[in-house]
Amino acid sequence: DQQVKQNSPSLSVQEGRISILNCDYTNSMFDYFLWYKKYPAEGPTFLISISSIKDKNEDGRFTVFLNKSAKHLSLHIVPSQPGDSAVYFCAARYFGNEKLTFGTGTRLTIIP
Amino acid sequence: DAGVIQSPRHEVTEMGQEVTLRCKPISGHDYLFWYRQTMMRGLELLIYFNNNVPIDDSGMPEDRFSAKMPNASFSTLKIQPSEPRDSAVYFCASSFTTSGGYYEQYFGPGTRLTVT
Repeated sequence: DQQVKQNSPSLSVQEGRISILNCDYTNSMFDYFLWYKKYPAEGPTFLISISSIKDKNEDGRFTVFLNKSAKHLSLHIVPSQPGDSAVYFCAARYFGNEKLTFGTGTRLTIIP
Repeated sequence: DAGVIQSPRHEVTEMGQEVTLRCKPISGHDYLFWYRQTMMRGLELLIYFNNNVPIDDSGMPEDRFSAKMPNASFSTLKIQPSEPRDSAVYFCASSFTTSGGYYEQYFGPGTRLTVT
């Protein structure tokens, strides 16, 4: 049972444009969500997170939006840069449980 | 800080052999996690420790897998005997508890295991 889903395995975006990566979850107990970025031959690195008490969190070019009623979150990258080309993982957890449940990832390619 | 350190980075072994993967977490972190990444199942949690004590090993696939954390700065994941289906990238991650209870995990570079 895939509790965190990233339905788009890949996404290509022109440099300078907006990249939007999507993530859906099924477990209503999840209350904290994270995005990780992964380059080849490296481990995932933390990018940005959001608590369920918020619906938006910004950090520079990165913004995460959370829609609890739809059990959906998205990561916006504006403007997209070539260095943003990587695999992006969505992850979720709930308070009192240290486990992170990961999605299967979306490969983002930024076209110069 | 050096970050989470894993060794070896690559391991090639024959079916039936014992494999030991090693991890040094970030100093001061009290949680340590072992993950496995495969094409079929993505990134899945195998086991995690808190203050060197195993808390949840429900993700460990079989009795062939075992993990230990003898002290705060070292952990091992052992597979004995290894099988071709164990071929994957194994990640170690660590984190620390915050007063708010929310945190991110810091991942090591991974060990790519190939069992022939």
